[in-house]
Amino acid sequence: ELKVEQNPLFLSMQEGKNYTIYCNYSTTSDRLYWYRQDPGKSLESLFVLLSNGAVKQEGRLMASLDTKARLSTLHITAAVHDLSATYFCYTGTASKLTFGTGTRLQVTL
Amino acid sequence: DGGITQSPKYLFRKEGQNVTLSCEQNLNHDAMYWYRQDPGQGLRLIYYSQIVNDFQKGDIAEGYSVSREKKESFPLTVTSAQKNPTAFYLCASAEGVGQPQHFGDGTRLSIL
Repeated sequence: ELKVEQNPLFLSMQEGKNYTIYCNYSTTSDRLYWYRQDPGKSLESLFVLLSNGAVKQEGRLMASLDTKARLSTLHITAAVHDLSATYFCYTGTASKLTFGTGTRLQVTL
Repeated sequence: DGGITQSPKYLFRKEGQNVTLSCEQNLNHDAMYWYRQDPGQGLRLIYYSQIVNDFQKGDIAEGYSVSREKKESFPLTVTSAQKNPTAFYLCASAEGVGQPQHFGDGTRLSIL
């Protein structure tokens, strides 16, 4: 059974700081997605990673995938308050995808 | 604009009652999904459908039922057998199973 764990589960960081969220998964995966969820809202797609070594960047967020280590990272550069949200990774194969536990990010002034 | 529409936004269920949550998409997607999210938790898959007239159970299907009579529509019924239905329900669609999913705005279900 595919298990997807994120850490940390909760992250409080100051504006302007850098930090990385980790997504570890337990079995073979050939795709990984990152989503953002604002409180009480739906999920918004951030990144699609489809191959080992894939790196995608959008603004202050950069996502990468290492399929050999079964690890994806979401790096936040110079955080701003607007990035406060919960971030989910979602991974697996075409027949079975599983959401990670989520990381709640709070950016403080 | 293409997208996914869930209704209602808020729904209240009386004990012993079945309620149906609507999900409609105009993205021409083949695959559709229903998820349940409890406060502070991740998403758990209830049911998914790869194509019209076909659907599969997810990880927590007990107490729920679905139908897929049209490509655009994938309604979810929360039956009286679901003893703890209070949650946020999200519908999603994708071009195919395993492809990136687009989510609706969700329905928040509570017990009266």
